[in-house]
Amino acid sequence: DTGVSQDPRHKITKRGQNVTFRCDPISEHNRLYWYRQTLGQGPEFLTYFQNEAQLEKSRLLSDRFSAERPKGSFSTLEIQRTEQGDSAMYLCASSQTRAGNSMVEQYFGPGTRLTVT
Amino acid sequence: AQSVTQLDSQVPVFEEAPVELRCNYSSSVSVYLFWYVQYPNQGLQLLLKYLSGSTLVKGINGFEAEFNKSQTSFHLRKPSVHISDTAEYFCAVSGPFNKFYFGSGTKLNVKP
Repeated sequence: DTGVSQDPRHKITKRGQNVTFRCDPISEHNRLYWYRQTLGQGPEFLTYFQNEAQLEKSRLLSDRFSAERPKGSFSTLEIQRTEQGDSAMYLCASSQTRAGNSMVEQYFGPGTRLTVT
Repeated sequence: AQSVTQLDSQVPVFEEAPVELRCNYSSSVSVYLFWYVQYPNQGLQLLLKYLSGSTLVKGINGFEAEFNKSQTSFHLRKPSVHISDTAEYFCAVSGPFNKFYFGSGTKLNVKP
């Protein structure tokens, strides 16, 4: 168990460019979450996957954002036409739910810090 | 709806002194509560969790928290802090589909 990993750790981009982040969850974890954390705030839920199915998206996730988890393993989060307001830490978390016990802790990755100039 | 309020944005404390970080929650469903710690430029690490059972929960690094349903609180405590405890601490409540709702965080600054 190597933990949740995210790549890249830091990304600086110019406004209007597209960026893509990757998250590798703990192996065999069936749930994967994306959160956004801005300066001085706690993480805010963006979206989550149960295996490969994206089951919910926050209204924070505008049309410029898209997330995938094609084989139920790693996930990508893409932001198109980035804006300065997209600057934040993007955190990925995973968890393993079991029948009869859906409330379990989430394991977080180190995050990808995005700076849009 | 679920929400979390962390009443103190910053808590300064001297090394070896006790500390309490306050957390109040609101939840319309069964309550599951968590405390996470975040060191600079890192992700979140679980300190402890309350799912059911005993209202006093012990976690890692000597931290503990007490679930108080009547006061809708889940305050985090440590009897004697170390310099290495300097970090930001987040309280979270779990909602439907295990989505987490976080407070805005409390920065603990331990001074020598």
